[in-house]
Amino acid sequence: GENVEQHPSTLSVQEGDSAVIKCTYSDSASNYFPWYKQELGKRPQLIIDIRSNVGEKKDQRIAVTLNKTAKHFSLHITETQPEDSAVYFCAATPDNYGQNFVFGPGTRLSVLP
Amino acid sequence: DAGVTQSPTHLIKTRGQQVTLRCSPISGHKSVSWYQQVLGQGPQFIFQYYEKEERGRGNFPDRFSARQFPNYSSELNVNALLLGDSALYLCASSFLLGAQGGYTFGSGTRLTVV
Repeated sequence: GENVEQHPSTLSVQEGDSAVIKCTYSDSASNYFPWYKQELGKRPQLIIDIRSNVGEKKDQRIAVTLNKTAKHFSLHITETQPEDSAVYFCAATPDNYGQNFVFGPGTRLSVLP
Repeated sequence: DAGVTQSPTHLIKTRGQQVTLRCSPISGHKSVSWYQQVLGQGPQFIFQYYEKEERGRGNFPDRFSARQFPNYSSELNVNALLLGDSALYLCASSFLLGAQGGYTFGSGTRLTVV
């Protein structure tokens, strides 16, 4: 089955700097890769996603890149702000018709003012 | 418009007991999935239901079961609770069976087994 690894497990950046979180997946059939942000005590929220037929997607300060050959994808946050502090999870799904996402273990991002 | 609602928000149970968790999807959403999130880890897939039928099952023991009702709400049941079942249980809904439109999580039920 699918296995998703995520690095780093913790990341501290100064406000205004960029943050990059990387994930690798094992199943070449995976074709949808969402990123979720989870603040302490709250539900995971979808922040951006990418499909396997796209190499890069941007939404304001957030971008995701996908390298299907190497089976890795990354989340890029520019001009970080204290409210970006949270745990970020990547996920992959090999199934077009099921919600059986496989999540990475998470990255705790701290943005220092 | 209400989001995904889960009840109860917190629950404390004793080992060996049984528990039922409830989820109401966003209005119009027909697919409900359940995930278990152990503290410090990513969510793990338990079940998916679409149009009242089970469409996916994760690697969980038979003590875990679920169902979906005609109004698309869902229940997750866990029998013979173990200490290791302590976790945040998340419900997620989407309009379609496929997840590629993204789906919405509820705020979860935090289950503590003592």
